[in-house]
Amino acid sequence: EIVLTQSPGTLSLSPGERATLSCRASQSVSSSYLAWYQQKPGQAPRLLIYDASSRATGIPDRFSGSGSGTDFTLTISRLEPEDFAVYYCQQYGGSPNSFGQGTKLEIK
Amino acid sequence: QVQLQESGPGLVKPSETLSLTCSVSGASFTTSSWSWIRQPPGKGLEYIGYFYYSGSTNYNPSLRSRVTISVDTSKNQLSLKLSSVTAADTAVYYCARGRRYFDYWGQGTLVTVSS
Repeated sequence: EIVLTQSPGTLSLSPGERATLSCRASQSVSSSYLAWYQQKPGQAPRLLIYDASSRATGIPDRFSGSGSGTDFTLTISRLEPEDFAVYYCQQYGGSPNSFGQGTKLEIK
Repeated sequence: QVQLQESGPGLVKPSETLSLTCSVSGASFTTSSWSWIRQPPGKGLEYIGYFYYSGSTNYNPSLRSRVTISVDTSKNQLSLKLSSVTAADTAVYYCARGRRYFDYWGQGTLVTVSS
């Protein structure tokens, strides 16, 4: 199983700042099959990015994904108040699918 | 508009079988894949398995011996059965569309394993 490690565990930033979240895989993720999700308290996760860099339908362009192999990044260019949440990466290049442990993005 | 809705008992006794249903609307049930994912309280997400529209299934090896995922196409429903549950199976259970990434999710249902 591919283990995903997200860093940092918690990121404290202010609205308007740039957020950079990291996801590192224990082995190469084939075909960049990596997704990012946003989860707010009491809600289901919401797909943001798939195939490492493709934005899901309706996702603002301030969200972008990059990376390949074992290192992937989610960038939020200018934080809006509604962006403060927990973010998970997920790989589907290896079986079984697996998720990272999450990064909490909190208001500074 | 794709909608998914989980349903089932909120409390299951240890050693018994957890059974959940996911009702799907707004999507072609027979040309998509459908998955179950769970999240223990205050913790991260765990993939359980999926049903592929061709009829095949895939399960997380950590749960494979206890899990069955099936569909009832006449009712547009996906089901999950997890046998021999313990307190470690207490979680919010989500159904979602997809077998790789998951673009539509139900709101989730909390299942507590306790006597």
